[in-house]
Amino acid sequence: QKEVEQNSGPLSVPEGAIASLNCTYSDRGSQSFFWYRQYSGKSPELIMFIYSNGDKEDGRFTAQLNKASQYVSLLIRDSQPSDSATYLCAVKGDAGKSTFGDGTTLTVKP
Amino acid sequence: GAVVSQHPSRVICKSGTSVKIECRSLDFQATTMFWYRQFPKQSLMLMATSNEGSKATYEQGVEKDKFLINHASLTLSTLTVTSAHPEDSSFYICSAQRSLGLANPHEQYFGPGTRLTVT
Repeated sequence: QKEVEQNSGPLSVPEGAIASLNCTYSDRGSQSFFWYRQYSGKSPELIMFIYSNGDKEDGRFTAQLNKASQYVSLLIRDSQPSDSATYLCAVKGDAGKSTFGDGTTLTVKP
Repeated sequence: GAVVSQHPSRVICKSGTSVKIECRSLDFQATTMFWYRQFPKQSLMLMATSNEGSKATYEQGVEKDKFLINHASLTLSTLTVTSAHPEDSSFYICSAQRSLGLANPHEQYFGPGTRLTVT
């Protein structure tokens, strides 16, 4: 079992819809959770981070964390074609090292 | 967000030569920098963790004598690929973590990456 698991996709949603990206992790001691967006040929860009259980909203993005279920998700409202990218979930423990999932490829169709 | 630069952005070298890649945090001090490698359509693979003033910690399977890492200051880390071979061709990305004491001490910011091609 991988330490951080994501559905590889591709996930395809129409423009304006909500895109839901999911991530599970195996280390119960994980402290911090991050979502990165990576466009093809580019490096990852941090878009959201969350430390506490519950929801955290930033513009069109909402991160949701459930430590009991070891689950973190990212919702993108009003999806735009420019949101089409690979989304990486990262989990960080006490050691300070992030473990990345393999990423979910999102395609938003106009 | 914080700014991390990498230089060069793209390099082509001949087999057997060495290549140095620089990673700089431009507007914050980074006690820890990470070096990743990413092959096409694959996930990020952590190569090593670099702490300022100490030896880097390499991940299993990464040759420390081939991938030399120096983190001489709080804003600069370098990765040198020695005796490069075609199989070392990849996208190398550094990441800098903010020092403790700021509002979000675990934030990690990526450089734009360096695409290495070894011929």
